[in-house]
Amino acid sequence: AQTVTQSQPEMSVQEAETVTLSCTYDTSESNYYLFWYKQPPSRQMILVIRQEAYKQQNATENRFSVNFQKAAKSFSLKISDSQLGDTAMYFCAFMIDQGGSEKLVFGKGTKLTVNP
Amino acid sequence: NAGVMQNPRHLVRRRGQEARLRCSPMKGHSHVYWYRQLPEEGLKFMVYLQKENIIDESGMPKERFSAEFPKEGPSILRIQQVVRGDSAAYFCASSPVVAGYEQYFGPGTRLTVT
Repeated sequence: AQTVTQSQPEMSVQEAETVTLSCTYDTSESNYYLFWYKQPPSRQMILVIRQEAYKQQNATENRFSVNFQKAAKSFSLKISDSQLGDTAMYFCAFMIDQGGSEKLVFGKGTKLTVNP
Repeated sequence: NAGVMQNPRHLVRRRGQEARLRCSPMKGHSHVYWYRQLPEEGLKFMVYLQKENIIDESGMPKERFSAEFPKEGPSILRIQQVVRGDSAAYFCASSPVVAGYEQYFGPGTRLTVT
């Protein structure tokens, strides 16, 4: 069974500092996709960053970057220059294309608080 | 291009009633997914549909739950004879055809069963 583990239920960081959120996953598939989603208090799920497993280069999106270690099945998210608006739940997820079904499997989330 | 629309945003039902949740995907998206989020939990996959077809319902409870995505109109998630344990946020997502593409989420429907 495919699983996603986020070992940090809660984290906090000072504004303008850098924080890294951890994520590990378990799958026997070789081709899959990894995502980080943000869920602010409004509960809207917003895509932060996406990574294809076949790509060795780590994805970056402005202040957000990932450290993708395929052999270790690790996919951490680094947020640089943290802003108050980054306060949210962050969910790691992955997707495999299994018989035409591309469902997302989510971790339980990390609650990030950015302090002024 | 309007995003994924879900209605209602909040729904209160008494035990034993039926709940109908609606989802209109983004324009041009033919794939719809439903997820459920219990308090303090991540989202759990329920069902994946394309127009007039259920592709994967492996995450959906066998009883009381059903979903459809008709040729015309929104996708519907239907819960019959609701129980307190059905209280949760239900999210719909849509994507275009390309495999591995981002799923765009709606704002969710928060169902409360009293």
